[in-house]
Amino acid sequence: NAGVTQTPKFQVLKTGQSMTLQCAQDMNHNSMYWYRQDPGMGLRLIYYSASEGTTDKGEVPNGYNVSRLNKREFSLRLESAAPSQTSVYFCAIRDYTAYEQYFGPGTRLTVT
Amino acid sequence: QKEVEQNSGPLSVPEGAIASLNCTYSDRGSQSFFWYRQYSGKSPELIMSIYSNGDKEDGRFTAQLNKASQYVSLLIRDSQPSDSATYLCAVNAGNMLTFGGGTRLMVKP
Repeated sequence: NAGVTQTPKFQVLKTGQSMTLQCAQDMNHNSMYWYRQDPGMGLRLIYYSASEGTTDKGEVPNGYNVSRLNKREFSLRLESAAPSQTSVYFCAIRDYTAYEQYFGPGTRLTVT
Repeated sequence: QKEVEQNSGPLSVPEGAIASLNCTYSDRGSQSFFWYRQYSGKSPELIMSIYSNGDKEDGRFTAQLNKASQYVSLLIRDSQPSDSATYLCAVNAGNMLTFGGGTRLMVKP
C-alpha cells in the first residue's frame, strides 16, 4: 500500500467511546488525507494536511479531529463515537509535485 | 459543490471484450484526472492518470479526456475476470481530489 500503514485494521466501539486511528507513511510525502467510504457514497474527505503543521477541513469534518504529529504521522480522533461513524476509513498521501494520491489499507470501524 | 458523476453499474462484459467506463465532472478548472481500481474489501489503487486532452494508453488500459465536454473515460481491452472491481474516477480540486461514486465492473468468463 505505497508505504502507508494504518492501525488498527478493525475496531468495534460502543456509542460514546473515543478512539484514535493512526496513519504513518515512509514515503516522505508532504500531504496526508483522511477519507471515509460508505456504501453508495463513494470516498468523502474528512480532513487533510497539506504539510507538516497544517490541517484543513474536508467535506465531512463534523465529529472528528486530526493531528499532524510530524511529517510521517497523521491521526484521526473520534471523541464520542456515533453509529453514523460506522465506515471504512482510509488514509492517503500525496507528494507536493503531483496530484496523485496513494492509499493505505484502511480501518474498518463499527460503532454499536 | 464540485461533482464527479459515474454510473454505478454493474457493468457486465464478457471475457475478452472491451469495457468502457465513463465519468463526467463539473469543475472546468480541473487539470488532473485519475482512475482508481478498488477490489472488494481493499483500498483504492491508482491505475491511470491523465492531464491533457486525448488518449493515454498503458497496457490494456486507455484513458480518454475531453475537457471541453468535461468527460473522462477508461477503456479496458481484452477484459479479464481479474478486472472485476469498482473503478473510481477522481478529479483534482486544488490540493484535494473529488471522487465519483464508482462503477462496478463484472467480467464474466
